[in-house]
Amino acid sequence: DVKVTQSSRYLVKRTGEKVFLECVQDMDHENMFWYRQDPGLGLRLIYFSYDVKMKEKGDIPEGYSVSREKKERFSLILESASTNQTSMYLCASSKDRRGDGYTFGSGTRLTVV
Amino acid sequence: GDSVTQMEGPVTLSEEAFLTINCTYTATGYPSLFWYVQYPGEGLQLLLKATKADDKGSNKGFEATYRKETTSFHLEKGSVQVSDSAVYFCALSDPKLSFGAGTTVTVRA
Repeated sequence: DVKVTQSSRYLVKRTGEKVFLECVQDMDHENMFWYRQDPGLGLRLIYFSYDVKMKEKGDIPEGYSVSREKKERFSLILESASTNQTSMYLCASSKDRRGDGYTFGSGTRLTVV
Repeated sequence: GDSVTQMEGPVTLSEEAFLTINCTYTATGYPSLFWYVQYPGEGLQLLLKATKADDKGSNKGFEATYRKETTSFHLEKGSVQVSDSAVYFCALSDPKLSFGAGTTVTVRA
C-alpha cells in the first residue's frame, strides 16, 4: 500500500528549539508539499517542491524552511519554534501538479510550549 | 488570488438525513475542483473531483457538480451514515491545491 509517512504523530517542543518534521513517500512522486492545519483556517501551504533540491514558498513560509536532498524525503524545519507554530502539520505528495491524486500523511501535531 | 469559501460547521445530523455542504470559489482561470475528507486521526483523502464546468463528481454516495455560472461546487449526500462523520474540505487546483476552512460533520445514530 503506497503511503506518505510522517515520522512523528505528536511532538512537544520548547520555544526557541530547532524542530525537524520529516516526511517520506514511497510512490516515486516528483511533487511534495507541507501544509499546516488550524481550526477555522483549513489547510495553508507552507512550502512545496517539484523536484529534488528545488523548493518554493507557499502562502505562509515565514518562520519555516525546508530541505529536499532526496526525491522521497521532504523535511520541514522550524529554525526557532514559537508558540504560534503550534498546529497540525500535514505532508503530501503527488504525481500530477494539477492537484489530482494528492496523498497525505496522517499528520504531526506539534505543540510548542 | 484563488480562494475557496465553504460553509462553516459544525454540522450535526441524524442517520439517513440529507447532507449539503456549500462551497464557492474565486479563481482567475479554470481550476479543477475537489472534495477531500479527513476521518478522525487520519490524513486527507480525495473524495471526488470535477475538472471542468458541468462535470459531476461522485463517490461513496456523495455528489458535487461544477457550476461555473455560480462558481460553486456544493457537496451532497442523500442519506448519511455514522461512518460519514468527518471533516470535509473543498479545494481548487490552479495548479496548486487551495483549501477551504473545512466543515466538521457529525452523524448521530
